[in-house]
Formats: sequence, structure tokens, C-alpha cells
Amino acid sequence: RKEVEQDPGPFNVPEGATVAFNCTYSNSASQSFFWYRQDCRKEPKLLMSVYSSGNEDGRFTAQLNRASQYISLLIRDSKLSDSATYLCVVISSGGSYIPTFGRGTSLIVHP
Amino acid sequence: DTEVTQTPKHLVMGMTNKKSLKCEQHMGHRAMYWYKQKAKKPPELMFVYSYEKLSINESVPSRFSPECPNSSLLNLHLHALQPEDSALYLCASSQVLGSTNEKLFFGSGTQLSVL
Repeated sequence: RKEVEQDPGPFNVPEGATVAFNCTYSNSASQSFFWYRQDCRKEPKLLMSVYSSGNEDGRFTAQLNRASQYISLLIRDSKLSDSATYLCVVISSGGSYIPTFGRGTSLIVHP
Repeated sequence: DTEVTQTPKHLVMGMTNKKSLKCEQHMGHRAMYWYKQKAKKPPELMFVYSYEKLSINESVPSRFSPECPNSSLLNLHLHALQPEDSALYLCASSQVLGSTNEKLFFGSGTQLSVL
């Protein structure tokens, strides 16, 4: 089983829709969680950190469920410009603290 | 705008060439990384430097040779590459290695094609 798993998609949604992605992790020693956004042929950019209490940044909400070992990203009122790949990143304290990437979830927002 | 600068943005090289990729950051970060990314795949870790010392080498072939001349610079020397080494090479930095809350900041990458 891979350490960090994501549904690759693509998720194809109309503008204005609400869409959610999940990311599961297998290492219970995982302590830090992030969502990155990557556009085609560009570098990954930090979208948001994920905190135990959940956190919101505008149209984006991130949640952590430690019991079930997954994090989620909710995007409300999708815009065309939200089309990208969303990468889940997990850092575990039990090893070398190297960020581990999921394979990414592709989102396509259409008019 | 990214605060991690990579050059060149694009590179085409033959299998007998020697070239170098360069990365620079001025955020005072003490951990620097090289990642390789193929299309539709996640970034794959190659090397990590911590306080200018090589901390992690993910069993990368010796035709890739990293170098960290100082705390702001990271190079990747390329020699005798294969066509399958064609990929996007990403440099990243974080404040330190060993903290569980480290955010990675990426450069814009070098798109490498090996002919």
C-alpha cells in the first residue's frame, strides 16, 4: 500500500460547483499535512496547511481526520482558474521528515 | 512569485554532454532539495542537503551529481544522461530538515530533454 494515496481523477465539474478531494495516508506517525496546487508544466505551490481543527481560506476548506487517516480539500464556487492538479503532502516524524507526495488529483472546471 | 530561482528554464542535451542545473534561494533556508517529475506523476525526491551537507540520496544514479557550494546555492551536475532522464527538475527549500511543519518552496523548474 502506498504511503499517501489520492484519486487521480480527473474531476470534471461546472463553474460554481462544490468539489471535494480526499487523501489517505498509511503512517500513523504522520504529523503535518499540506495541499499543494500544480498547474501544467509549472512548479507545485503551497495552497494551504491542514490543521487538526480544520482551516478555511476563502473558498477552500481543509480538514484532517486522524482516526480514519485522511485529509480533505473542499473547493466551493469553483472557478475556471481552479483547474489544476492538487497534491497532498504528508510529513511523518518517525522517519527522516521528508515530505511525501501523493500522486495528485486532477481538477477540470468547465464553463 | 517564487523566491527560489532555477536556471535554465529549459535545457536540451545530448547523451555525451555535461551540463549543470542551478538553484538559488535567499530566504535563509538551511534545507534544499532536488526533485525529478515526469508528466502526470508526483515529484520524486532525489537529494536533500541540510546545512550544506548531503543528508539524503535516494539511490540516484551517479550520472547525477549534486553540489551545495553555500547555504544559498544548490547545483545538479549532469553527465552521460539517458533519454529516460528527460523530466522536469525541481529545486525546493525549507527552513530546516527535521521539523514536522516544514513547508517546501519550489523553484519554477528546469524542463530537461535528453536526445
